[in-house]
Amino acid sequence: GAVVSQHPSRVICKSGTSVKIECRSLDFQATTMFWYRQFPKKSLMLMATSNEGSKATYEQGVEKDKFLINHASLTLSTLTVTSAHPEDSSFYICSASGPSGSRETQYFGPGTRLLVL
Amino acid sequence: LAKTTQPISMDSYEGQEVNITCSHNNIATNDYITWYQQFPSQGPRFIIQGYKTKVTNEVASLFIPADRKSSTLSLPRVSLSDTAVYYCLVGQTGANNLFFGTGTRLTVIP
Repeated sequence: GAVVSQHPSRVICKSGTSVKIECRSLDFQATTMFWYRQFPKKSLMLMATSNEGSKATYEQGVEKDKFLINHASLTLSTLTVTSAHPEDSSFYICSASGPSGSRETQYFGPGTRLLVL
Repeated sequence: LAKTTQPISMDSYEGQEVNITCSHNNIATNDYITWYQQFPSQGPRFIIQGYKTKVTNEVASLFIPADRKSSTLSLPRVSLSDTAVYYCLVGQTGANNLFFGTGTRLTVIP
């Protein structure tokens, strides 16, 4: 089946630094990838939708200069949290739209736990 | 986007059948209904998807009435490992974004 990976699985950084999270579709090409954020015991909140080769579409309230998304290839999208602060600590999950004809709407990665000190 | 409403939480004893119902009154003609399972600190995992009537796979069944304004996920004989949050999502397949509602936190009790 279609597999989506994320790297790193968890990261701890100091306040003010930037952190990059990678999302890869391992065995299929994903024209569209999605980035979600999830706080403890809360639901997933969509941050942005990225299409290969074009600018990401951000949801209302998500700062595009804070959360930089790059979707340079059909198998890789990156989320960079710039100048991270403690309130950015969260669980970040990416997903990729499935291959043509796949049963699933989206395939989700395992998530990345970010802790900003 | 069609939004969904589910019970916030449910408890069940091991070995029982669990039915989780989701309301989606504004579902569109092209929308599918998909259920995901999420364990703590993991990404959501696909359980089942359907458009109408009944769908069954190796882990669950999905019942969808004719008006498609609701759906019921049925988990037969739950075990402790089924303790998780279950999300009902409505949307088109592929490249369309999905809206995650509150989900239902299922706790299976020994």
